[in-house]
Amino acid sequence: ETGVTQTPRHLVMGMTNKKSLKCEQHLGHNAMYWYKQSAKKPLELMFVYSLEERVENNSVPSRFSPECPNSSHLFLHLHTLQPEDSALYLCASSQDRTGFFYEQYFGPGTRLTVT
Amino acid sequence: AQKVTQAQTEISVVEKEDVTLDCVYETRDTTYYLFWYKQPPSGELVFLIRRNSFDEQNEISGRYSWNFQKSTSSFNFTITASQVVDSAVYFCALSGTASKLTFGTGTRLQVTL
Repeated sequence: ETGVTQTPRHLVMGMTNKKSLKCEQHLGHNAMYWYKQSAKKPLELMFVYSLEERVENNSVPSRFSPECPNSSHLFLHLHTLQPEDSALYLCASSQDRTGFFYEQYFGPGTRLTVT
Repeated sequence: AQKVTQAQTEISVVEKEDVTLDCVYETRDTTYYLFWYKQPPSGELVFLIRRNSFDEQNEISGRYSWNFQKSTSSFNFTITASQVVDSAVYFCALSGTASKLTFGTGTRLQVTL
């Protein structure tokens, strides 16, 4: 079984829809992350959870709402998105609890298109 | 603030050629970690290597090797005898004591027959 899984792999949604992205890690890690990857831009860290507690929120608009019910699952709830939110959303996990010194393991991403 | 620069946007090589991907970083931290990740067309980033700021030994893993030089703030990645399966986007990343993980913009490597 792969270490980090994400569903769905592809998602097309209108600007008024509400949807959720799901991430699950099977590595026994303590920290989980959401990243946004847009064309020609560096990876943007959105949220960090450590032991189910949100430890970082990088000025992400409130139309993105993360949820971490336990150390293995991470969700990103989406509502009233904008076309510029179209991107690849990557989930990652790591052993790290408070910093970024451990390597992160990534899922395959969800390709989101907002119409 | 910290920064990672991957000046090579795209590189094309013919199979079996050696290729070096450059990474230059900036940080004020004395303790930091450097990483390389590979992103194949399937999308997920694959961890390749982690190096801490106190370990300047070069590393070799099969056809992959890494050259870390603090004097020039560089952490370059060389693929020897490249193969088509090496085609991907490669990211260099930096994490400092006080700063979160910062990725470079990536270098797209295309290996052709």
